[in-house]
Amino acid sequence: DVKVTQSSRYLVKRTGEKVFLECVQDMDHENMFWYRQDPGLGLRLIYFSYDVKMKEKGDIPEGYSVSREKKERFSLILESASTNQTSMYLCASNLWGDQPQHFGDGTRLSIL
Amino acid sequence: AQTVTQSQPEMSVQEAETVTLSCTYDTSENNYYLFWYKQPPSRQMILVIRQEAYKQQNATENRFSVNFQKAAKSFSLKISDSQLGDTAMYFCAFMKPGSGSRLTFGEGTQLTVNP
Repeated sequence: DVKVTQSSRYLVKRTGEKVFLECVQDMDHENMFWYRQDPGLGLRLIYFSYDVKMKEKGDIPEGYSVSREKKERFSLILESASTNQTSMYLCASNLWGDQPQHFGDGTRLSIL
Repeated sequence: AQTVTQSQPEMSVQEAETVTLSCTYDTSENNYYLFWYKQPPSRQMILVIRQEAYKQQNATENRFSVNFQKAAKSFSLKISDSQLGDTAMYFCAFMKPGSGSRLTFGEGTQLTVNP
C-alpha cells in the first residue's frame, strides 16, 4: 500500500513566521501535490511537482512556495504566515498520468 | 478551465438504504477522468471510484456505482446498502489528461448514515 506521510497532524504558528509542512511518500511516485481544504470550497491545488526540483503553480500559489530536493519528499513553505492561511493542508502523490492520487492524513494549521 | 459542482452540501440516509450524491462539471474536453473520493472523520482521503470518459459503461465498485451522463456532464455516485462506516465527506474530482495529473475538486457533500 502507498504511504503518504505528513510530518504534523496539528500545527499552531504565529503571523509572520516561516512555516514548513513536510510530506514524504514511499512508493517512488513521480508526481506530488499540495492542496488546501476549506469548508465549502473543497480542495484547491497550491503547487505540484512532476520531478525532482521541478514545480508548477496550481490555482492558489500566492503566499506559498515549495521544495522538492528528493523524489520522495515535497515541502510546502509559507514564507510569512498570515491568518488567512489557517486551513487544512493535504499532500498527495501519484505514479504518473491518470493514476489516482494517494493522500496523506492532512495537517490542520492554525495561524494566530 | 474546468469546474466541478456538488450542489448538496449535506445529506443523510438510514442504514441499509440507498443514497445518490450528485456532481456536475463543466469542460470542453472530450477525454478526461472523473473520480469520487471519500474523507471520513479520520481525514484520510480514499479513492472510491474512477470513471474514464471514453468508456460508456458506468464504473462499479462493490456497493458504490456511478451514473455517468457525458452529454449532461453529470457524474453521480450511488451508495447501496448504506453502512455506518460510509459516513464521510465525499468529493467529486475531474482530471484532464496531459495536465500533470491535476485534479479539480467539487465543494464536497457531507454524508451521514443514521442507525
